[in-house]
Amino acid sequence: EAAVTQSPRSKVAVTGGKVTLSCHQTNNHDYMYWYRQDTGHGLRLIHYSYVADSTEKGDIPDGYKASRPSQENFSLILELASLSQTAVYFCASSDRRGVNNQAPLFGEGTRLSVL
Amino acid sequence: QQQVRQSPQSLTVWEGETAILNCSYENSAFDYFPWYQQFPGEGPALLISILSVSNKKEDGRFTIFFNKREKKLSLHIADSQPGDSATYFCAARNTGNYKYVFGAGTRLKVIA
Repeated sequence: EAAVTQSPRSKVAVTGGKVTLSCHQTNNHDYMYWYRQDTGHGLRLIHYSYVADSTEKGDIPDGYKASRPSQENFSLILELASLSQTAVYFCASSDRRGVNNQAPLFGEGTRLSVL
Repeated sequence: QQQVRQSPQSLTVWEGETAILNCSYENSAFDYFPWYQQFPGEGPALLISILSVSNKKEDGRFTIFFNKREKKLSLHIADSQPGDSATYFCAARNTGNYKYVFGAGTRLKVIA
């Protein structure tokens, strides 16, 4: 069964600390995405990747880094966490290859609170 | 700049009615439009999607109507059920870079 697994599911971090959110997919998808969700803003794209060892900036990349060490794993890194980064973060994967269009499949999310 | 706009922000319908959720976009490079359903505490789940070469897509009680010329689409939920109460997101794929842009969502409440 296709799956996107995020860890941790929730985290409390201190301002200025480093935070790493992890994502693992078993879908054999080439694309992976990190979104953040805030009330009233829907989902906004932070970083994405279409191949291992390469990442691309999304629409709101400032304050975030991403790492794609393998096709299955994609991490989001907050080097210096700030209060404004309190949000729910979603990882997703999709496949550009093949005949059928496939919309991104999402994980369950990570609720991050920065205090 | 909001590239994908959804309306209304919230919608309340009675059980059995048809709920109509609207979406519009600006970028002509968008070619694929998935709709997602999200319940509190969960990730968005794909509900139904449409390619820009089509003007209608049906899946059970869910139908997408698409107007490429006007850059508008709508999701119709027929015979709405209380279990349909959720937030619905319209998304659009950029055919150039394969990025997906989301609208702010419509919160649907179905009253029994």
